[in-house]
Amino acid sequence: DGGITQSPKYLFRKEGQNVTLSCEQNLNHDAMYWYRQDPGQGLRLIYYSQIVNDFQKGDIAEGYSVSREKKESFPLTVTSAQKNPTAFYLCASSIYTPAPYGYTFGSGTRLTVV
Amino acid sequence: AQTVTQSQPEMSVQEAETVTLSCTYDTSESDYYLFWYKQPPSRQMILVIRQEAYKQQNATENRFSVNFQKAAKSFSLKISDSQLGDAAMYFCAYRRGETSGSRLTFGEGTQLTVNP
Repeated sequence: DGGITQSPKYLFRKEGQNVTLSCEQNLNHDAMYWYRQDPGQGLRLIYYSQIVNDFQKGDIAEGYSVSREKKESFPLTVTSAQKNPTAFYLCASSIYTPAPYGYTFGSGTRLTVV
Repeated sequence: AQTVTQSQPEMSVQEAETVTLSCTYDTSESDYYLFWYKQPPSRQMILVIRQEAYKQQNATENRFSVNFQKAAKSFSLKISDSQLGDAAMYFCAYRRGETSGSRLTFGEGTQLTVNP
């Protein structure tokens, strides 16, 4: 079955460490997205990519980095510059053409700073 | 920039009753799409219903329907015959229609409790 796989489900980061969250999809979707979810703030866009080897900053990109070397993969690195990284992170994908489609979401990664 | 507002942080409903969740949005675009997503305790985001802005007819999916008021920029979700499994966080979302791969903008969410 096609879908989006995020790993790991839970991740713990020490102060000053970089960590990478994985997102893989086999839906043949062109566009992929990373959102951060905090209580009471909905989902906020971190980065998105519409095609391979290209990506754009979202609303809260500071302290994060991404790459899009393959269509299927869009990993997110949370760097030590991100001062408050504890949150729930959701990856999503969609087809590229204008259409009344929403996203397909992964099951999320819960990141905690220890 | 587009914004989406959900003014009800929490709502509750009795099982088998009807509940309406509110959503307003701000945009200068004429072509766009609106969505309601459900996030149960598993935190998996599930698409509930979508509406194309150019369609006057309100979308319906089984027990879920919307009241789309384009002039008022309002997009409410009505859940009929509420079930315990409907308990979840509900997010309203907006997407521009003319730009390929355009992003979704989400509201803050409404936590729905269904009482037996």
